[in-house]
Amino acid sequence: DAGVIQSPRHEVTEMGQEVTLRCKPISGHDYLFWYRQTMMRGLELLIYFNNNVPIDDSGMPEDRFSAKMPNASFSTLKIQPSEPRDSAVYFCASSPVGGVKNIQYFGAGTRLSVL
Amino acid sequence: QKEVEQNSGPLSVPEGAIASLNCTYSDRGSQSFFWYRQYSGKSPELIMFIYSNGDKEDGRFTAQLNKASQYVSLLIRDSQPSDSATYLCAVNDFNKFYFGSGTKLNVKP
Repeated sequence: DAGVIQSPRHEVTEMGQEVTLRCKPISGHDYLFWYRQTMMRGLELLIYFNNNVPIDDSGMPEDRFSAKMPNASFSTLKIQPSEPRDSAVYFCASSPVGGVKNIQYFGAGTRLSVL
Repeated sequence: QKEVEQNSGPLSVPEGAIASLNCTYSDRGSQSFFWYRQYSGKSPELIMFIYSNGDKEDGRFTAQLNKASQYVSLLIRDSQPSDSATYLCAVNDFNKFYFGSGTKLNVKP
């Protein structure tokens, strides 16, 4: 399997622009997670889906952030409008099962720079 | 807020030595625990997971869990320069992973 695939790998945009990050989970994995990593706050969970349904979005920082999973093989994280403080590395991860045996595999990440 | 605490390091060990990485967590009800390795500029890579009290060994890696003390550790035997990375401890709480800030390990040749 190719693993979790994220695109783009790098994104540079200007403040106020819309940014869309994309993720393809490992085939057969029922859980998908979006994380953000910064030096100050470390790795933080933003939102996760089970069978394409958002389960917990309590980590989404504000209404400018939204995430969708229209099917089992694709998810997006959108920031509109973007701000410089959104600059971070965004990771997508997937897991085949939930509960105690939830084991998450990470994609390569998208490095976002908002100028 | 679930807390996962790690010493940020850096932890420096000579090649061939044992590296010991530690992690404490705040939620006594947590049931599964993970160690990820992250090289600079790369994504977290799963090293080990452990569910039960005691030790779990996989090659040069041993994870240790003590739920009563809310303590998880990772031992790396025969450390190699290629083990130099940041090691992240993660605690699973109903599918939500809480990560520590990571311990940076330097293995000196």
